[in-house]
Amino acid sequence: KQEVTQIPAALSVPEGENLVLNCSFTDSAIYNLQWFRQDPGKGLTSLLLIQSSQREQTSGRLNASLDKSSGRSTLYIAASQPGDSATYLCAPGDSGNTPLVFGKGTRLSVIA
Amino acid sequence: DAGVTQSPTHLIKTRGQQVTLRCSPKSGHDTVSWYQQALGQGPQFIFQYYEEEERQRGNFPDRFSGHQFPNYSSELNVNALLLGDSALYLCASSSGQLYGYTFGSGTRLTVV
Repeated sequence: KQEVTQIPAALSVPEGENLVLNCSFTDSAIYNLQWFRQDPGKGLTSLLLIQSSQREQTSGRLNASLDKSSGRSTLYIAASQPGDSATYLCAPGDSGNTPLVFGKGTRLSVIA
Repeated sequence: DAGVTQSPTHLIKTRGQQVTLRCSPKSGHDTVSWYQQALGQGPQFIFQYYEEEERQRGNFPDRFSGHQFPNYSSELNVNALLLGDSALYLCASSSGQLYGYTFGSGTRLTVV
């Protein structure tokens, strides 16, 4: 059974800092991994999707890496802004249509 | 291109009542999954519908049931509501695993 852990649980940084969010998962037989952003009380917005054959994906100031064999993924946010304040969730997916499994996420606060 | 649409956005029900939540998937998606998210927790998988049948189910009681229509839209029904059913209910659509999941904005259910 897949289990997901995200560290740290919460993070507060000043505006402009570069930061890394960590995601670990127990079953490395994944097909891809998706990073989401969630604003308070809102739905999930997909940020990046990394296929198992890829090492990383980039979108603007966001870069996600995947080390499938070690069961780890990181989300790097460059030059953080107050608008980046949200909860970030990672979810590994497998090829058998097994539903996504989530951890509790990392709650990020970027202080102006 | 419309994403995933959920209705209603907010709902207040009394303990013991029944509720129906609705979801229209993203255009081109044929699979709908439902998640429950309690405050401060990650989303928990309820069930998944594909070709109008429940394909997979999480650890939720039979009070939770669903349906998928020929146009791929879906409903989540919860009977005999309990205070503990208060949560954000998220709908996600997908088409195979390759392109990941798209989530709606959620329905906030409060049971009083």
